[in-house]
Amino acid sequence: GDSVTQMEGPVTLSEEAFLTINCTYTATGYPSLFWYVQYPGEGLQLLLKATKADDKGSNKGFEATYRKETTSFHLEKGSVQVSDSAVYFCALRGWSGGYQKVTFGIGTKLQVIP
Amino acid sequence: NAGVTQTPKFRVLKTGQSMTLLCAQDMNHEYMYWYRQDPGMGLRLIHYSVGEGTTAKGEVPDGYNVSRLKKQNFLLGLESAAPSQTSVYFCASSYSRVTDTQYFGPGTRLTVL
Repeated sequence: GDSVTQMEGPVTLSEEAFLTINCTYTATGYPSLFWYVQYPGEGLQLLLKATKADDKGSNKGFEATYRKETTSFHLEKGSVQVSDSAVYFCALRGWSGGYQKVTFGIGTKLQVIP
Repeated sequence: NAGVTQTPKFRVLKTGQSMTLLCAQDMNHEYMYWYRQDPGMGLRLIHYSVGEGTTAKGEVPDGYNVSRLKKQNFLLGLESAAPSQTSVYFCASSYSRVTDTQYFGPGTRLTVL
């Protein structure tokens, strides 16, 4: 079945550092890919998405490129802020058991220190 | 708009007790979902609904029941709680298809002793 692999973390960075959170996936066909963010005490929010190979999703300074050849969708940001501290979930939307479903990774906790 | 709301925010149960978690959305979404979030396992789909009066099983449905009597509400029931059901439960909704963006509630933290 479909699966998403990402490191659990925590990833600790200083403010203004460069961020990369790796995400790789296994899926049949051509899934859509997503990054969700969960701030402390809140539910998940869609951060960005890409629906086909070579698409780049971007939002709030974050970006990720759908790489079919490496089955990856790594999240990057050039300069993180303390307010970016959250848990980031990579997800894919594909087919499983005859219906479309969303498969989430385990989430990567990001801590940004001043 | 309140978006997706969940009641209660926290609950502690003893093994064997029952309870119902309520999810409400005011976005007129057709689809609604219940997930559980466990450390090291991400989110797993428990049950979902594609419209009022319909429900379907997700990945981990055992031990849970759901009902969608009104379009805006999706209830998750635990008839006889077990410690393995200690988790954070998230409700989500989407407009008309699984392919639409899902909007999440703030979660319910449940502990079963």
